Amino acid sequence: DAGVTQSPTHLIKTRGQQVTLRCSPKSGHDTVSWYQQALGQGPQFIFQYYEEEERQRGNFPDRFSGHQFPNYSSELNVNALLLGDSALYLCASSLGVRQDYNQPQHFGDGTRLSIL
Amino acid sequence: AQRVTQPEKLLSVFKGAPVELKCNYSYSGSPELFWYVQYSRQRLQLLLRHISRESIKGFTADLNKGETSFHLKKPFAQEEDSAMHYCALPFSGGYNKLIFGAGTRLAVHP
Repeated sequence: DAGVTQSPTHLIKTRGQQVTLRCSPKSGHDTVSWYQQALGQGPQFIFQYYEEEERQRGNFPDRFSGHQFPNYSSELNVNALLLGDSALYLCASSLGVRQDYNQPQHFGDGTRLSIL
Repeated sequence: AQRVTQPEKLLSVFKGAPVELKCNYSYSGSPELFWYVQYSRQRLQLLLRHISRESIKGFTADLNKGETSFHLKKPFAQEEDSAMHYCALPFSGGYNKLIFGAGTRLAVHP
């Protein structure tokens, strides 16, 4: 089991562009969460997808959107990129059936996004 | 507001010395806390969780509700313990949504 896989590993964009990041969850997991990790900071929650719907959202603007597919994989889209969007974007998967229990999350290696 | 504070960016010790990485939180209710670790060139992974009360790689952490702390401890540090350590707290309402501290880098010197 490869665990959580993310693509691409690195990406360079310019201000105003749009970007799509991809994530495949660990086998058997149905919930995908996205986090943004700025340099020197801990990961910050963006949103979470379960049953193809956004279930929860952190304090991020509408420029950040996502999608979950029937096979549980997910995409993170960011529009109108700003310099401040430069960060490591982490995907984490977990089993979301037991919604009242905080399941440990399994993280991918992340996508390093640089905005010029 | 829910918050996790790790006051030290870097903790530098010699091999065999005791280690304590500090974590304080603000949360209304009974929290479940986690420690995640990231070794060099590896992905972020769960080290231990409060609810399981287990010891992983010799590390333990006790939840102190009075002091709102969840410090990570190990009696004798090893060089392979060198890594970034993050304390994390689930948002109230569950759903596996975590608030992370800024992290502490543990450097264990020979």
